[in-house]
Amino acid sequence: AQSVTQPDIHITVSEGASLELRCNYSYGATPYLFWYVQSPGQGLQLLLKYFSGDTLVQGIKGFEAEFKRSQSSFNLRKPSVHWSDAAEYFCAVGARRISNFGNEKLTFGTGTRLTIIP
Amino acid sequence: NAGVMQNPRHLVRRRGQEARLRCSPMKGHSHVYWYRQLPEEGLKFMVYLQKENIIDESGMPKERFSAEFPKEGPSILRIQQVVRGDSAAYFCASSPPGTIVNEQFFGPGTRLTVL
Repeated sequence: AQSVTQPDIHITVSEGASLELRCNYSYGATPYLFWYVQSPGQGLQLLLKYFSGDTLVQGIKGFEAEFKRSQSSFNLRKPSVHWSDAAEYFCAVGARRISNFGNEKLTFGTGTRLTIIP
Repeated sequence: NAGVMQNPRHLVRRRGQEARLRCSPMKGHSHVYWYRQLPEEGLKFMVYLQKENIIDESGMPKERFSAEFPKEGPSILRIQQVVRGDSAAYFCASSPPGTIVNEQFFGPGTRLTVL
């Protein structure tokens, strides 16, 4: 069964500083990987996804993530954070279903809460 | 194209009552997923449905919980005889039909409070 670990429960960075949120996954084959962001009281918005190909993935709002198979990691990065980036960030892994249906549930990490200080 | 819609956004029930949560997927999406988020935790998969079919219910509690996605109308997550431990945010997601993993589009969630 797949699993996701986000080792940092809470991270605080200064506005304008760089950011890296860690994500490690466990899965027996090539995973499908996602980063979602959740603002307080809101649903989840997809930041970026990795299915195959280039291991450096660009997303919305200036975020990027790099898939490293050897480290089973998919860390999220942003070169310069803005106060509006304060939110909860979730890494998720999905599996390809061996059937006609194709789609599969997502397994989420426990999230990293990002606080931005002036 | 409207996003995934969930209602109600907030639901308060007393112990022993029933809770019914509704989810309307995005237009053209035939796959619906329900997730539960307990306070200070990530989302946990509950059930995956297509029209009139339950595909994967491995995350559903064995008792009191049921889900459906009828041919017409929204998907419904039903919780019978609610208990305080059912208090959580329940998120619905949808994705279009296909043979590869598609991204899932999430609704705003229903926050259930059991008194």
